[in-house]
Amino acid sequence: VLTQSPGTLSLSPGERATLSCRASQTIRRDYLAWYRQKPGQAPRLLIYGASNRATGIPDRFSGSGSGTDFTLAISRLEAEDFAVYYCQQYGDSPPGTFGPGTKVEIK
Amino acid sequence: QRQLQESGPGLLRPSETLSLTCNVSGTSISGSSGYYWGWLRQPPGKEPEWIGSIHYSGATYYKSSLKSRVTISADMSKNRFSLNLTSVTAADTAVYYCARHGSFGLGSYGLFDFWGQGALVTVSS
Repeated sequence: VLTQSPGTLSLSPGERATLSCRASQTIRRDYLAWYRQKPGQAPRLLIYGASNRATGIPDRFSGSGSGTDFTLAISRLEAEDFAVYYCQQYGDSPPGTFGPGTKVEIK
Repeated sequence: QRQLQESGPGLLRPSETLSLTCNVSGTSISGSSGYYWGWLRQPPGKEPEWIGSIHYSGATYYKSSLKSRVTISADMSKNRFSLNLTSVTAADTAVYYCARHGSFGLGSYGLFDFWGQGALVTVSS
């Protein structure tokens, strides 16, 4: 089971965002991914392997953590970053569960 | 450029069968041995939920709680795969996505790297 906090994060453009994802059991090989979902769109893969940016993802996104505690940081929020973020455990069968999400909204 | 596009009816009555197709372009289902082609759904305001996947070999895998109602198939000649979900209820109302995920061999089983835009399916009498 994945838990994400906070549920909602209210920030201004240009500010730094820090999102947390906690697993109830150790995630092997740090098989933890982050997705961003803009309203009305499909989720988009941002980070895999806890800290690797997916193709085309800007370097303002960074992932860290291992074991059961993981963090997604967005260094300077841009307009398109106000969205919902999901963490997901992968690498096991069945394909991994998603966390409940953190909404980043404009303050 | 890889693209996945869902299509199918958007409104169903309870007890009917949901049928969706995912057309894949820019890459070949049959030529992608390291990948699986899956279906997920996302009820309003909730996180995505995996439904099932198919491999180019024809092997299928389903979420255990849906297994009795789900069938995923693929038409390699048309480069598309499909979802059938029988006996739908209001609880099946969701946006349905098709997506690609990696394999155990790639160390990315269940990592969804390409998604369709989604298809809203509403079940209502």
